[in-house]
Parts: sequence; C-alpha cells; structure tokens
Amino acid sequence: DVKVTQSSRYLVKRTGEKVFLECVQDMDHENMFWYRQDPGLGLRLIYFSYDVKMKEKGDIPEGYSVSREKKERFSLILESASTNQTSMYLCASRPIGKEHTEAFFGQGTRLTVV
Amino acid sequence: DQQVKQNSPSLSVQEGRISILNCDYTNSMFDYFLWYKKYPAEGPTFLISISSIKDKNEDGRFTVFLNKSAKHLSLHIVPSQPGDSAVYFCAASYNDMRFGAGTRLTVKP
Repeated sequence: DVKVTQSSRYLVKRTGEKVFLECVQDMDHENMFWYRQDPGLGLRLIYFSYDVKMKEKGDIPEGYSVSREKKERFSLILESASTNQTSMYLCASRPIGKEHTEAFFGQGTRLTVV
Repeated sequence: DQQVKQNSPSLSVQEGRISILNCDYTNSMFDYFLWYKKYPAEGPTFLISISSIKDKNEDGRFTVFLNKSAKHLSLHIVPSQPGDSAVYFCAASYNDMRFGAGTRLTVKP
C-alpha cells in the first residue's frame, strides 16, 4: 500500500513564526503536491514538484515556499505565518508513466496560526 | 480563476436512489479526470477516474461520464447508500492536478 505521511495532524503556531510542514512518501513517486483546503474553496494547489529539486507554483504560492531535496520528501514552508494561513494542509504524491494514475493523499495537517 | 468548478455545494438523496454530482472545467489541456471522496479530518481517497479519450468509465456502483465538447463530467452513484455520505471532489490533471470546491452528499436512510 502506498503511504503518504504528514509529520503532524494538528499544529498551533504564532503569527510571524517560520513553520515547516513535512511530507514523506514511500513509493518512489516523482510528483508531489501541496494543497490547502478551506470551506467553500475546495483544495487549492500551493506548489507542485514534478521531480527532485523541481517545483512549480500553483494557484496560491504567496507566503509559501517548498523544498524537495530528496525524492521521498516534500516540505512546505510558511516563511512568516499569518492568521489567514490557518487551514487544513494536504500533501499528495503520484507516479509518472505512460498511463495517468491517481494521486495518493496524506491524512492532512490542521494548522492554526494565533 | 478556478479551472475546475463544482457549482452545487450540497446534494441530498434518498437511500437506493441515484446520486448525480456534476463538474465543469475550463482548461482544454486537461486529459485525465478523477473523483475523490473525503471525510472530515482525513485525506481524500480516490474513487474513480476517466481519461479524455473515453466518455464513460464504470466501477461497481460508480460511473463517471465525460463530455469533452461541453467540458463537463459527472459522477453517478447507483444505488446510493448512507455510507456514501461525504464530500466529493472533482479533479482534473494535465501536468499538475486541480480540484473543484467539492459537493457534500448526504444519503438519507
């Protein structure tokens, strides 16, 4: 079974703190994604990585950065946390190949910025 | 501008009847479409998908229909069961993967 693990289920941080959200997958997938889920807005793509050290901005990259130094790990960084970054953060991974396949999600991190 | 749209925030159906969830997209480059189901405090789980070269894909009680000319897809659940109650997200993929806002399905016993 594919496993995508996010380092924390719940996190509370103070405004202005630098926050690291970690995501690890165990299936050697090339693609990894970070989304945030907010009521009425669905899942919005923050950043996408198509391979190691490769990244592309999604729809809402402002205030975030990412790091992909190893294939299995994709980190989301909030440079200076703000209250409007309070959200559910979801990481996903998928392989690339001749055929499209689905992406597999982690359990999510509920981040509260106070 | 959202490239994948689910215009119905909620849907309520009676157990045993058909549930139809709809999704529209704007980017004609999308070539693979997926439906995910999500419960609170959990990550989305994959349900069913369809390639842009097909117009229908069926898996048990779940069928996805794709109308490329209308840039529209739908998920049919027949018969609906109370355990199907969840939020359903439509997704579309080319290089990355974009999601809609979700539809909360409630199946009443």
